[in-house]
Amino acid sequence: DAKTTQPPSMDCAEGRAANLPCNHSTISGNEYVYWYRQIHSQGPQYIIHGLKNNETNEMASLIITEDRKSSTLILPHATLRDTAVYYCIVRAPAQGAQKLVFGQGTRLTINP
Amino acid sequence: NAGVMQNPRHLVRRRGQEARLRCSPMKGHSHVYWYRQLPEEGLKFMVYLQKENIIDESGMPKERFSAEFPKEGPSILRIQQVVRGDSAAYFCASSPPATRTEAFFGQGTRLTVV
Repeated sequence: DAKTTQPPSMDCAEGRAANLPCNHSTISGNEYVYWYRQIHSQGPQYIIHGLKNNETNEMASLIITEDRKSSTLILPHATLRDTAVYYCIVRAPAQGAQKLVFGQGTRLTINP
Repeated sequence: NAGVMQNPRHLVRRRGQEARLRCSPMKGHSHVYWYRQLPEEGLKFMVYLQKENIIDESGMPKERFSAEFPKEGPSILRIQQVVRGDSAAYFCASSPPATRTEAFFGQGTRLTVV
């Protein structure tokens, strides 16, 4: 699976959009970009994933650059409950293989 | 649809005892994954199981650790003769038998070895 690079920490004001970048310059054609988050000692929570098209769900939007070498997770209206460590993971799906390799992630702090 | 259920949530064991951690996957999910998170560290993959089969145990310590996912019942992560270094949060995740799907995590079992 391709390696990802994320800033170790970020701050965002409550109510503003939080934009979390991720670099994955060695991503290959069949690898997806997944985002998870871990809120203080809880189990990781799936947020969103995509291959090459931008994706949106009730939690967030995922913007993937045209060359697929980087992506941005957008939390449109951040709340205090969005304070968490956010993980960007790149992996090629195989039959039933959901093994995830977690890096250090970005520690996002939402400030009131 | 209940999420991934792990129990117990907290487990205290004395050195040398056995720890058994249970994970019930989401309904319809036949794939289970165990991860370990040591204090102040990231999540590390341990083992991937399908019903009655171990598919990938590349992250499992070679000794004292074992995992199973029987045809009936929850998946079990078993740690024999626990040591202080086993103190960690153990998370289980499950996914359905298909590609390109996300995995859902339980709330974890926090093992403390005293």
